[in-house]
Amino acid sequence: GQNIDQPTEMTATEGAIVQINCTYQTSGFNGLFWYQQHAGEAPTFLSYNVLDGLEEKGRFSSFLSRSKGYSYLLLKELQMKDSASYLCAVGGYQKVTFGTGTKLQVIP
Amino acid sequence: DSGVTQTPKHLITATGQRVTLRCSPRSGDLSVYWYQQSLDQGLQFLIQYYNGEERAKGNILERFSAQQFPDLHSELNLSSLELGDSALYFCASSVSGLAGVGYNEQFFGPGTRLTVL
Repeated sequence: GQNIDQPTEMTATEGAIVQINCTYQTSGFNGLFWYQQHAGEAPTFLSYNVLDGLEEKGRFSSFLSRSKGYSYLLLKELQMKDSASYLCAVGGYQKVTFGTGTKLQVIP
Repeated sequence: DSGVTQTPKHLITATGQRVTLRCSPRSGDLSVYWYQQSLDQGLQFLIQYYNGEERAKGNILERFSAQQFPDLHSELNLSSLELGDSALYFCASSVSGLAGVGYNEQFFGPGTRLTVL
């Protein structure tokens, strides 16, 4: 099965950088996804990592270490609209398992 | 707008009743996934269909069932509803059928909020 851990809540200041960590244990691995979800809305795709290393996409970057079962999402130049939940999800055999999400609050 | 549509947006019903949630995937997507998200809970994978056939099953209760029709839209049927079934139900779609293999981004619909009283 899959087990995914990420912090429940984080707070960061507008304009700053925040790193959201995710650790996972899995019986099969076919990539790691990060999704953003604003309260009451649908999740939206942010990034996908299948090889070790850093993937950069604008203000958002995602890192993966398969040997350590570890990923992080890095958000730079935080904006108030970045206040949302960030879901780490692991692709396993035939399905994607989502973590419970990290609720990020961006304060002025 | 992800291109995935779900109806209805809100549904209020009583315990013991049966409801049907509907999902239309993005044009060209063959896979449909159903998820349940309760308050303060993560997305719980329920079931996946690919081109009309069941492909993967998650923690779906026996009271719940789903199907995908020839036009690729899908329906999730929830019966003998209980208070604990109150949740947001999301449908997602993707191009391919292997959810965990390779780059296979899932596009989520806006969800159906079910309230069981």
